[in-house]
Amino acid sequence: DADVTQTPRNRITKTGKRIMLECSQTKGHDRMYWYRQDPGLGLRLIYYSFDVKDINKGEISDGYSVSRQAQAKFSLSLESAIPNQTALYFCATSGPGTNIQYFGAGTRLSVL
Amino acid sequence: GQQVMQIPQYQHVQEGEDFTTYCNSSTTLSNIQWYKQRPGGHPVFLIQLVKSGEVKKQKRLTFQFGEAKKNSSLHITATQTTDVGTYFCAVSTNAGKSTFGDGTTLTVKP
Repeated sequence: DADVTQTPRNRITKTGKRIMLECSQTKGHDRMYWYRQDPGLGLRLIYYSFDVKDINKGEISDGYSVSRQAQAKFSLSLESAIPNQTALYFCATSGPGTNIQYFGAGTRLSVL
Repeated sequence: GQQVMQIPQYQHVQEGEDFTTYCNSSTTLSNIQWYKQRPGGHPVFLIQLVKSGEVKKQKRLTFQFGEAKKNSSLHITATQTTDVGTYFCAVSTNAGKSTFGDGTTLTVKP
């Protein structure tokens, strides 16, 4: 949805570099999520946040960190990128009382 | 954590044939959502099922939730090339987040 914006859309980086993926939303949702998608493995949850002061690890948080700067902004950082973090990354939001999720267009990350 | 198995992983059909994907859980689900991801796109919400035995339709798509609320299916009648993509189910956990199935990728041969 255009209401959930991810930047950059594509990124190529080198092993060991620190990078940040950004997500902003205009849906007014409190809940935000970061997922990773690899071929054949569906969507795996990295981190999620239910409000500005709330950060929770998902199933694959190792090697990642997040920051919830505001209700509308949730960024994902790779402190020291490694090649097996090459993947498609999605940010998503959901509204109160529902798990229905609205996804951004995704960031395709390649770590060389 | 909550696990959901989705089958098949891939399905290749001739245009006009039907298609079905299934999601199965070992535990009772509170609800289930279905999403579609077009090639090169992002997942887009299709529908949510909440009630035992619920059946919902969207044009050629029929969604069912099992009586025991442990399984669900998405059936497409007379597939078209516009149906290509990956279909995901997602189930809600008590922690307020979702677990996604691995998806079924549908290809349609014209």
